[in-house]
Amino acid sequence: QQQVKQSPQSLIVQKGGISIINCAYENTAFDYFPWYQQFPGKGPALLIAIRPDVSEKKEGRFTISFNKSAKQFSLHIMDSQPGDSATYFCAASRDTGGFKTIFGAGTRLFVKA
Amino acid sequence: GAVVSQHPSWVICKSGTSVKIECRSLDFQATTMFWYRQFPKKSLMLMATSNEGSKATYEQGVEKDKFLINHASLTLSTLTVTSAHPEDSSFYICSARDRAGQYFGPGTRLTVT
Repeated sequence: QQQVKQSPQSLIVQKGGISIINCAYENTAFDYFPWYQQFPGKGPALLIAIRPDVSEKKEGRFTISFNKSAKQFSLHIMDSQPGDSATYFCAASRDTGGFKTIFGAGTRLFVKA
Repeated sequence: GAVVSQHPSWVICKSGTSVKIECRSLDFQATTMFWYRQFPKKSLMLMATSNEGSKATYEQGVEKDKFLINHASLTLSTLTVTSAHPEDSSFYICSARDRAGQYFGPGTRLTVT
């Protein structure tokens, strides 16, 4: 009930291509779904987040698509660049009730120049 | 906004000594602070959750007497690794949450020799 399943584990994309990372959750009580980007030796940085009242959120080249009925959400990176090469974590949490943030296992993205 | 600082960024200590890591939310007051441990190429493992002025809640399997957490104010939390051993060597990351989201510090690389 508390798991967040993330796929793929690793991803190689050509420069200019679209990177797609998928996550699925089980607990319908979650109401906040962030994505984090982590470079080696650094802490995760909040990239973009969505709440279940919308189906899509776009910020620059990054888009979250959210499917509440399927309990799935995905991150799309348009026009992927070598600088986007990093590990991406999806997560799920709830603002109230003392819920902990549950993280996916992470996806290592490599964008080939 | 939403900057979390962590100090030191790396530390090397001898086995048996104690190490203190500081975590500060610089431009916001955190309702809750978290401490994570991350092994190479793995996701974040929650160690404990703390609220200002109250005792930390430790995750199962995390020794509270070994990993002492003090949440002194709404902007400061410290993690002390007591009597450190080589197996405590890891990347420790703090995180702070407010109403807008959860933000991570840059991490502290601890090496115990």
